[in-house]
Amino acid sequence: ETGVTQSPTHLIKTRGQQVTLRCSSQSGHNTVSWYQQALGQGPQFIFQYYREEENGRGNFPPRFSGLQFPNYSSELNVNALELDDSALYLCASSLGADSNQPQHFGDGTRLSIL
Amino acid sequence: ILNVEQSPQSLHVQEGDSTNFTCSFPSSNFYALHWYRWETAKSPEALFVMTLNGDEKKKGRISATLNTKEGYSYLYIKGSQPEDSATYLCAFCCPGGYNKLIFGAGTRLAVHP
Repeated sequence: ETGVTQSPTHLIKTRGQQVTLRCSSQSGHNTVSWYQQALGQGPQFIFQYYREEENGRGNFPPRFSGLQFPNYSSELNVNALELDDSALYLCASSLGADSNQPQHFGDGTRLSIL
Repeated sequence: ILNVEQSPQSLHVQEGDSTNFTCSFPSSNFYALHWYRWETAKSPEALFVMTLNGDEKKKGRISATLNTKEGYSYLYIKGSQPEDSATYLCAFCCPGGYNKLIFGAGTRLAVHP
Protein backbone atom coordinates (compact mmCIF):
# COMPACT_ATOMS: atom_id res chain seq x y z
CA GLU A 1 0.00 0.00 0.00
CA THR A 2 1.17 3.55 -0.71
CA GLY A 3 1.89 5.65 2.34
CA VAL A 4 1.20 9.32 2.96
CA THR A 5 3.13 11.60 0.62
CA GLN A 6 3.59 15.32 0.96
CA SER A 7 4.87 17.93 -1.47
CA PRO A 8 6.97 19.92 -1.69
CA THR A 9 9.63 18.73 0.75
CA HIS A 10 11.02 22.21 1.35
CA LEU A 11 9.74 25.66 0.51
CA ILE A 12 11.04 29.19 1.02
CA LYS A 13 8.64 32.12 0.91
CA THR A 14 8.65 35.75 1.98
CA ARG A 15 6.29 37.55 4.33
CA GLY A 16 2.91 38.35 2.82
CA GLN A 17 3.04 35.60 0.20
CA GLN A 18 0.64 32.70 -0.06
CA VAL A 19 1.53 28.99 -0.06
CA THR A 20 -0.20 25.71 -0.89
CA LEU A 21 1.00 22.42 0.57
CA ARG A 22 -0.22 19.09 -0.73
CA CYS A 23 -0.87 15.69 0.80
CA SER A 24 -1.85 12.34 -0.68
CA SER A 25 -3.47 10.11 1.91
CA GLN A 26 -2.68 6.45 2.39
CA SER A 27 -4.72 4.17 0.16
CA GLY A 28 -8.18 3.56 1.67
CA HIS A 29 -7.96 6.42 4.20
CA ASN A 30 -10.75 9.01 4.10
CA THR A 31 -9.57 11.32 6.89
CA VAL A 32 -6.70 13.80 6.69
CA SER A 33 -5.34 15.94 9.52
CA TRP A 34 -2.81 18.75 9.28
CA TYR A 35 -0.33 19.69 11.99
CA GLN A 36 2.24 22.43 12.43
CA GLN A 37 5.44 21.62 14.28
CA ALA A 38 7.58 24.51 15.45
CA LEU A 39 11.09 23.88 16.75
CA GLY A 40 11.16 22.26 20.19
CA GLN A 41 7.41 21.65 20.33
CA GLY A 42 5.09 18.78 19.57
CA PRO A 43 2.90 18.96 16.47
CA GLN A 44 -0.04 21.39 16.84
CA PHE A 45 -3.39 20.44 15.28
CA ILE A 46 -4.50 22.80 12.49
CA PHE A 47 -7.61 21.05 11.15
CA GLN A 48 -9.03 17.76 9.95
CA TYR A 49 -10.97 16.78 6.85
CA TYR A 50 -13.31 13.82 6.77
CA ARG A 51 -15.00 12.88 3.50
CA GLU A 52 -14.28 16.31 2.01
CA GLU A 53 -15.72 18.30 4.95
CA GLU A 54 -13.82 20.13 7.67
CA ASN A 55 -14.22 18.04 10.81
CA GLY A 56 -12.63 20.18 13.50
CA ARG A 57 -10.15 23.02 13.73
CA GLY A 58 -7.39 24.02 16.13
CA ASN A 59 -6.39 27.52 17.27
CA PHE A 60 -5.21 28.80 13.92
CA PRO A 61 -6.40 32.01 12.22
CA PRO A 62 -8.67 31.93 9.13
CA ARG A 63 -5.70 32.58 6.82
CA PHE A 64 -5.01 28.85 7.32
CA SER A 65 -7.50 27.05 5.10
CA GLY A 66 -7.80 23.63 3.59
CA LEU A 67 -9.48 21.41 1.12
CA GLN A 68 -10.05 17.71 0.63
CA PHE A 69 -10.68 16.23 -2.79
CA PRO A 70 -12.90 13.27 -3.81
CA ASN A 71 -9.82 11.01 -3.87
CA TYR A 72 -9.19 12.14 -0.22
CA SER A 73 -5.99 13.98 -1.02
CA SER A 74 -5.78 17.35 0.67
CA GLU A 75 -4.30 20.84 0.48
CA LEU A 76 -3.29 23.29 3.16
CA ASN A 77 -3.32 26.95 2.10
CA VAL A 78 -1.77 29.73 4.11
CA ASN A 79 -2.32 33.37 3.10
CA ALA A 80 -0.43 36.47 4.18
CA LEU A 81 2.52 34.48 5.46
CA GLU A 82 4.19 35.63 8.67
CA LEU A 83 7.64 34.85 10.02
CA ASP A 84 6.08 32.68 12.76
CA ASP A 85 4.61 30.41 10.10
CA SER A 86 8.09 28.95 9.59
CA ALA A 87 7.67 25.34 10.69
CA LEU A 88 7.38 21.73 9.61
CA TYR A 89 3.87 20.99 8.33
CA LEU A 90 2.76 17.39 8.76
CA CYS A 91 -0.14 15.67 7.13
CA ALA A 92 -1.63 12.49 8.59
CA SER A 93 -4.30 10.20 7.23
CA SER A 94 -6.48 7.67 9.01
CA LEU A 95 -9.24 5.22 8.29
CA GLY A 96 -12.14 7.23 9.68
CA ALA A 97 -12.22 9.88 12.38
CA ASP A 98 -12.59 7.53 15.39
CA SER A 99 -10.33 7.99 18.41
CA ASN A 100 -8.95 4.47 18.18
CA GLN A 101 -7.60 4.94 14.66
CA PRO A 102 -3.84 5.53 14.49
CA GLN A 103 -2.79 8.36 12.22
CA HIS A 104 -0.26 7.71 9.47
CA PHE A 105 2.07 10.62 8.86
CA GLY A 106 3.93 11.90 5.85
CA ASP A 107 7.49 13.18 5.98
CA GLY A 108 6.32 16.79 6.18
CA THR A 109 6.95 20.03 4.30
CA ARG A 110 9.56 22.35 5.80
CA LEU A 111 8.37 25.93 5.23
CA SER A 112 10.77 28.82 5.79
CA ILE A 113 9.56 32.40 5.75
CA LEU A 114 12.13 35.13 5.10
CA ILE B 1 -6.36 24.70 27.55
CA LEU B 2 -5.55 20.98 27.36
CA ASN B 3 -1.99 20.14 28.32
CA VAL B 4 -0.01 17.02 27.56
CA GLU B 5 3.32 16.81 29.38
CA GLN B 6 6.15 14.40 28.66
CA SER B 7 9.18 13.73 30.81
CA PRO B 8 12.06 13.66 30.64
CA GLN B 9 12.65 16.02 27.74
CA SER B 10 15.70 14.00 26.68
CA LEU B 11 17.44 10.83 27.78
CA HIS B 12 20.82 9.27 27.04
CA VAL B 13 21.25 5.58 27.79
CA GLN B 14 23.77 2.87 27.00
CA GLU B 15 22.97 0.00 24.67
CA GLY B 16 21.32 -2.78 26.69
CA ASP B 17 19.83 -0.46 29.32
CA SER B 18 16.11 -0.52 29.92
CA THR B 19 14.37 2.82 30.13
CA ASN B 20 10.99 4.40 30.58
CA PHE B 21 9.34 7.75 30.18
CA THR B 22 6.08 9.40 31.16
CA CYS B 23 3.17 11.09 29.47
CA SER B 24 0.66 13.08 31.57
CA PHE B 25 -2.70 14.11 30.16
CA PRO B 26 -6.11 15.39 31.32
CA SER B 27 -7.99 12.66 33.16
CA SER B 28 -11.46 13.91 32.21
CA ASN B 29 -13.28 13.19 28.93
CA PHE B 30 -10.78 10.53 27.96
CA TYR B 31 -11.08 8.85 24.56
CA ALA B 32 -7.63 7.51 23.67
CA LEU B 33 -3.91 8.00 24.15
CA HIS B 34 -1.59 7.55 21.16
CA TRP B 35 2.17 6.87 21.17
CA TYR B 36 4.37 7.61 18.17
CA ARG B 37 8.06 7.09 17.44
CA TRP B 38 9.75 9.73 15.29
CA GLU B 39 13.18 8.97 13.92
CA THR B 40 15.25 11.78 12.43
CA ALA B 41 14.53 12.39 8.73
CA LYS B 42 11.54 10.04 8.80
CA SER B 43 7.83 10.43 9.48
CA PRO B 44 6.24 9.73 12.89
CA GLU B 45 5.31 6.06 13.20
CA ALA B 46 2.31 4.89 15.22
CA LEU B 47 3.29 2.59 18.12
CA PHE B 48 0.15 2.19 20.21
CA VAL B 49 -3.40 3.46 20.56
CA MET B 50 -4.60 2.91 24.12
CA THR B 51 -8.21 3.29 25.11
CA LEU B 52 -8.96 1.41 28.36
CA ASN B 53 -7.80 2.15 31.89
CA GLY B 54 -5.23 -0.46 32.85
CA ASP B 55 -4.40 -1.21 29.20
CA GLU B 56 -0.96 -2.65 28.60
CA LYS B 57 0.30 -2.99 25.03
CA LYS B 58 3.52 -4.49 23.70
CA LYS B 59 5.41 -4.34 20.43
CA GLY B 60 8.69 -6.22 20.53
CA ARG B 61 10.85 -4.67 23.26
CA ILE B 62 8.54 -1.66 23.66
CA SER B 63 5.52 -1.67 25.93
CA ALA B 64 3.12 0.93 27.31
CA THR B 65 0.69 1.17 30.19
CA LEU B 66 -2.27 3.46 30.73
CA ASN B 67 -3.92 4.97 33.81
CA THR B 68 -6.86 7.13 32.73
CA LYS B 69 -8.05 7.89 36.28
CA GLU B 70 -4.83 9.66 37.22
CA GLY B 71 -3.98 10.76 33.69
CA TYR B 72 -0.66 9.14 32.86
CA SER B 73 0.92 6.60 30.55
CA TYR B 74 4.36 5.02 30.71
CA LEU B 75 6.41 3.82 27.75
CA TYR B 76 9.05 1.18 28.48
CA ILE B 77 11.92 0.04 26.30
CA LYS B 78 13.65 -3.14 27.38
CA GLY B 79 17.29 -3.65 26.39
CA SER B 80 17.64 -0.42 24.37
CA GLN B 81 19.39 -0.63 21.01
CA PRO B 82 20.93 2.21 18.97
CA GLU B 83 18.07 1.87 16.47
CA ASP B 84 15.66 2.85 19.27
CA SER B 85 17.14 6.36 19.16
CA ALA B 86 14.23 8.64 18.26
CA THR B 87 11.78 11.13 19.69
CA TYR B 88 8.82 9.44 21.37
CA LEU B 89 5.61 11.44 21.24
CA CYS B 90 2.41 10.85 23.10
CA ALA B 91 -0.88 12.43 22.02
CA PHE B 92 -4.18 12.83 23.85
CA CYS B 93 -7.22 12.13 21.72
CA CYS B 94 -9.92 13.43 21.12
CA PRO B 95 -11.20 16.64 22.71
CA GLY B 96 -14.53 17.57 21.20
CA GLY B 97 -15.07 13.93 20.22
CA TYR B 98 -13.21 13.91 16.91
CA ASN B 99 -9.78 12.49 16.07
CA LYS B 100 -7.77 15.62 16.95
CA LEU B 101 -4.47 14.78 18.62
CA ILE B 102 -2.97 17.01 21.31
CA PHE B 103 0.73 16.17 21.35
CA GLY B 104 3.29 16.48 24.07
CA ALA B 105 6.68 17.94 23.19
CA GLY B 106 8.22 14.47 23.13
CA THR B 107 11.06 12.63 24.83
CA ARG B 108 14.24 12.49 22.79
CA LEU B 109 16.04 9.18 23.38
CA ALA B 110 19.66 8.60 22.40
CA VAL B 111 21.02 5.06 22.80
CA HIS B 112 24.82 4.91 22.76
CA PRO B 113 26.67 1.75 21.63
